[in-house]
Amino acid sequence: GNSVTQMEGPVTLSEEAFLTINCTYTATGYPSLFWYVQYPGEGLQLLLKATKADDKGSNKGFEATYRKETTSFHLEKGSVQVSDSAVYFCALSANTGNQFYFGTGTSLTVIP
Amino acid sequence: DSGVTQTPKHLITATGQRVTLRCSPRSGDLSVYWYQQSLDQGLQFLIQYYNGEERAKGNILERFSAQQFPDLHSELNLSSLELGDSALYFCASSVRAAKNTEAFFGQGTRLTVV
Repeated sequence: GNSVTQMEGPVTLSEEAFLTINCTYTATGYPSLFWYVQYPGEGLQLLLKATKADDKGSNKGFEATYRKETTSFHLEKGSVQVSDSAVYFCALSANTGNQFYFGTGTSLTVIP
Repeated sequence: DSGVTQTPKHLITATGQRVTLRCSPRSGDLSVYWYQQSLDQGLQFLIQYYNGEERAKGNILERFSAQQFPDLHSELNLSSLELGDSALYFCASSVRAAKNTEAFFGQGTRLTVV
Protein backbone atom coordinates (compact mmCIF):
# COMPACT_ATOMS: atom_id res chain seq x y z
CA GLY A 1 0.00 0.00 0.00
CA ASN A 2 0.85 3.66 0.10
CA SER A 3 2.12 5.37 3.23
CA VAL A 4 4.40 8.16 4.42
CA THR A 5 6.54 8.09 7.54
CA GLN A 6 7.66 11.43 8.82
CA MET A 7 10.05 12.55 11.50
CA GLU A 8 8.39 13.03 14.85
CA GLY A 9 8.19 16.49 16.26
CA PRO A 10 8.02 18.97 17.67
CA VAL A 11 11.24 20.55 16.46
CA THR A 12 12.58 23.74 18.01
CA LEU A 13 15.42 25.62 16.34
CA SER A 14 17.14 28.92 16.76
CA GLU A 15 16.91 31.43 13.94
CA GLU A 16 19.48 30.78 11.17
CA ALA A 17 19.91 27.12 12.17
CA PHE A 18 19.89 24.32 9.59
CA LEU A 19 16.68 22.36 9.23
CA THR A 20 16.15 18.75 8.21
CA ILE A 21 12.82 16.97 8.43
CA ASN A 22 13.01 13.33 7.41
CA CYS A 23 10.39 11.68 5.24
CA THR A 24 10.30 8.16 3.83
CA TYR A 25 7.57 6.55 1.82
CA THR A 26 6.13 3.28 0.65
CA ALA A 27 4.24 3.28 -2.61
CA THR A 28 2.97 1.13 -5.40
CA GLY A 29 4.13 2.36 -8.76
CA TYR A 30 5.92 5.65 -9.19
CA PRO A 31 4.59 8.31 -6.85
CA SER A 32 4.86 12.07 -6.97
CA LEU A 33 6.12 13.57 -3.71
CA PHE A 34 5.13 16.81 -2.02
CA TRP A 35 5.83 18.94 1.01
CA TYR A 36 2.92 20.98 2.31
CA VAL A 37 3.05 23.58 5.08
CA GLN A 38 0.26 24.53 7.47
CA TYR A 39 0.46 27.85 9.31
CA PRO A 40 -1.68 28.28 12.44
CA GLY A 41 -5.36 28.55 11.62
CA GLU A 42 -4.84 28.04 7.91
CA GLY A 43 -5.16 25.31 5.33
CA LEU A 44 -2.30 23.44 3.75
CA GLN A 45 -0.14 25.21 1.20
CA LEU A 46 2.11 23.50 -1.29
CA LEU A 47 5.75 24.17 -0.45
CA LEU A 48 7.46 22.09 -3.12
CA LYS A 49 7.08 18.94 -5.17
CA ALA A 50 9.03 16.38 -7.21
CA THR A 51 7.46 14.07 -9.74
CA LYS A 52 10.24 11.61 -10.57
CA ALA A 53 13.40 10.09 -9.14
CA ASP A 54 16.34 12.48 -8.64
CA ASP A 55 14.12 15.54 -9.11
CA LYS A 56 14.81 18.34 -6.64
CA GLY A 57 11.94 20.52 -5.55
CA SER A 58 12.73 23.93 -4.14
CA ASN A 59 10.88 26.98 -2.90
CA LYS A 60 11.52 29.81 -0.44
CA GLY A 61 14.92 28.37 0.48
CA PHE A 62 13.51 24.90 1.17
CA GLU A 63 14.71 21.91 -0.83
CA ALA A 64 13.92 18.21 -1.09
CA THR A 65 15.32 15.56 -3.43
CA TYR A 66 13.32 12.53 -4.58
CA ARG A 67 15.53 9.53 -3.73
CA LYS A 68 14.08 6.36 -5.14
CA GLU A 69 16.91 4.13 -3.85
CA THR A 70 16.23 5.14 -0.25
CA THR A 71 12.50 5.94 -0.77
CA SER A 72 13.05 9.29 0.88
CA PHE A 73 12.15 12.94 0.37
CA HIS A 74 13.80 14.83 3.21
CA LEU A 75 13.08 18.54 3.60
CA GLU A 76 16.02 20.90 4.20
CA LYS A 77 16.61 24.58 4.68
CA GLY A 78 19.97 26.16 5.29
CA SER A 79 18.88 29.01 7.54
CA VAL A 80 15.44 29.04 9.14
CA GLN A 81 13.53 32.16 10.11
CA VAL A 82 10.91 32.79 12.77
CA SER A 83 8.35 33.03 9.99
CA ASP A 84 9.04 29.38 9.07
CA SER A 85 7.32 28.24 12.25
CA ALA A 86 4.53 25.95 11.07
CA VAL A 87 3.57 22.30 10.67
CA TYR A 88 5.18 20.54 7.70
CA PHE A 89 3.56 17.56 5.97
CA CYS A 90 5.21 15.15 3.60
CA ALA A 91 2.80 13.59 1.12
CA LEU A 92 2.67 11.31 -1.87
CA SER A 93 0.31 10.84 -4.75
CA ALA A 94 0.58 7.43 -6.33
CA ASN A 95 -2.72 6.68 -7.94
CA THR A 96 -4.25 7.94 -11.11
CA GLY A 97 -6.86 9.72 -9.01
CA ASN A 98 -4.26 11.92 -7.31
CA GLN A 99 -5.50 11.37 -3.77
CA PHE A 100 -2.76 12.26 -1.31
CA TYR A 101 -1.29 10.17 1.49
CA PHE A 102 0.11 12.37 4.24
CA GLY A 103 2.65 11.88 6.96
CA THR A 104 1.72 12.79 10.51
CA GLY A 105 3.20 16.28 10.25
CA THR A 106 6.19 17.84 11.99
CA SER A 107 5.71 20.96 14.05
CA LEU A 108 8.57 23.45 13.72
CA THR A 109 9.11 26.36 16.06
CA VAL A 110 11.90 28.82 15.31
CA ILE A 111 12.96 31.05 18.17
CA PRO A 112 14.77 34.38 17.73
CA ASP B 1 -5.74 32.66 -0.47
CA SER B 2 -5.88 29.28 -2.20
CA GLY B 3 -9.13 30.00 -4.01
CA VAL B 4 -10.88 27.08 -2.32
CA THR B 5 -13.75 28.21 -0.11
CA GLN B 6 -15.17 26.15 2.70
CA THR B 7 -18.22 26.95 4.80
CA PRO B 8 -18.88 27.10 7.63
CA LYS B 9 -15.52 27.70 9.33
CA HIS B 10 -16.74 26.36 12.65
CA LEU B 11 -19.61 24.04 13.54
CA ILE B 12 -20.70 22.83 16.94
CA THR B 13 -23.38 20.18 17.10
CA ALA B 14 -24.67 17.42 19.33
CA THR B 15 -24.17 13.70 19.05
CA GLY B 16 -26.63 11.99 16.75
CA GLN B 17 -27.10 15.04 14.57
CA ARG B 18 -26.42 15.52 10.87
CA VAL B 19 -24.37 18.31 9.31
CA THR B 20 -23.40 19.40 5.81
CA LEU B 21 -20.04 20.91 4.95
CA ARG B 22 -19.69 22.87 1.74
CA CYS B 23 -16.75 23.40 -0.58
CA SER B 24 -16.32 25.63 -3.61
CA PRO B 25 -13.24 24.63 -5.60
CA ARG B 26 -10.89 26.98 -7.39
CA SER B 27 -12.24 28.29 -10.64
CA GLY B 28 -11.53 25.75 -13.36
CA ASP B 29 -10.70 22.86 -11.03
CA LEU B 30 -12.66 19.71 -11.80
CA SER B 31 -11.43 17.48 -9.01
CA VAL B 32 -12.48 17.86 -5.37
CA TYR B 33 -11.09 15.92 -2.42
CA TRP B 34 -12.21 15.71 1.19
CA TYR B 35 -9.80 15.07 4.05
CA GLN B 36 -10.26 14.68 7.79
CA GLN B 37 -7.58 15.96 10.16
CA SER B 38 -7.68 14.72 13.73
CA LEU B 39 -5.08 14.57 16.47
CA ASP B 40 -4.99 10.79 16.64
CA GLN B 41 -5.41 9.91 12.95
CA GLY B 42 -3.59 12.76 11.25
CA LEU B 43 -4.72 13.74 7.75
CA GLN B 44 -6.89 11.05 6.23
CA PHE B 45 -8.25 10.99 2.69
CA LEU B 46 -12.01 10.51 2.67
CA ILE B 47 -13.31 10.77 -0.89
CA GLN B 48 -12.66 12.32 -4.28
CA TYR B 49 -14.93 13.57 -7.03
CA TYR B 50 -14.00 14.45 -10.56
CA ASN B 51 -16.38 16.44 -12.73
CA GLY B 52 -19.40 15.24 -10.79
CA GLU B 53 -18.46 11.58 -10.55
CA GLU B 54 -17.04 9.76 -7.56
CA ARG B 55 -13.42 8.93 -8.40
CA ALA B 56 -11.94 7.34 -5.31
CA LYS B 57 -12.85 6.43 -1.76
CA GLY B 58 -10.57 6.38 1.23
CA ASN B 59 -11.31 5.94 4.89
CA ILE B 60 -14.82 7.28 4.73
CA LEU B 61 -17.37 5.94 7.18
CA GLU B 62 -20.73 4.71 5.95
CA ARG B 63 -22.35 7.49 8.02
CA PHE B 64 -20.59 9.98 5.76
CA SER B 65 -21.45 10.77 2.16
CA ALA B 66 -20.53 13.38 -0.38
CA GLN B 67 -21.49 14.66 -3.77
CA GLN B 68 -20.28 17.09 -6.39
CA PHE B 69 -22.85 19.22 -8.14
CA PRO B 70 -22.98 20.40 -11.78
CA ASP B 71 -21.46 23.74 -10.78
CA LEU B 72 -18.58 21.67 -9.29
CA HIS B 73 -19.12 22.65 -5.69
CA SER B 74 -19.14 19.75 -3.29
CA GLU B 75 -20.87 18.88 -0.05
CA LEU B 76 -19.82 16.42 2.63
CA ASN B 77 -22.70 15.07 4.72
CA LEU B 78 -21.96 13.65 8.16
CA SER B 79 -24.79 11.89 9.97
CA SER B 80 -25.38 10.16 13.31
CA LEU B 81 -22.48 12.17 14.61
CA GLU B 82 -20.28 10.79 17.37
CA LEU B 83 -17.80 12.53 19.64
CA GLY B 84 -14.98 10.95 17.66
CA ASP B 85 -16.08 12.75 14.50
CA SER B 86 -14.80 16.01 15.97
CA ALA B 87 -12.03 17.08 13.61
CA LEU B 88 -10.93 19.58 11.02
CA TYR B 89 -12.37 18.74 7.61
CA PHE B 90 -10.47 20.01 4.59
CA CYS B 91 -11.55 20.29 1.03
CA ALA B 92 -8.96 20.45 -1.74
CA SER B 93 -9.24 20.88 -5.48
CA SER B 94 -7.06 20.33 -8.50
CA VAL B 95 -7.37 20.90 -12.21
CA ARG B 96 -6.84 17.27 -13.09
CA ALA B 97 -6.91 13.96 -11.31
CA ALA B 98 -3.40 13.04 -12.45
CA LYS B 99 -0.88 12.08 -9.78
CA ASN B 100 1.57 14.94 -10.27
CA THR B 101 -1.05 17.64 -9.96
CA GLU B 102 -0.87 20.13 -7.13
CA ALA B 103 -3.92 20.22 -4.89
CA PHE B 104 -5.08 23.48 -3.33
CA PHE B 105 -6.59 23.32 0.13
CA GLY B 106 -9.29 25.36 1.77
CA GLN B 107 -8.98 26.65 5.32
CA GLY B 108 -11.10 23.84 6.67
CA THR B 109 -14.26 23.43 8.71
CA ARG B 110 -13.71 22.70 12.37
CA LEU B 111 -16.43 20.37 13.58
CA THR B 112 -17.00 19.92 17.28
CA VAL B 113 -19.45 17.26 18.40
CA VAL B 114 -20.62 17.64 21.99
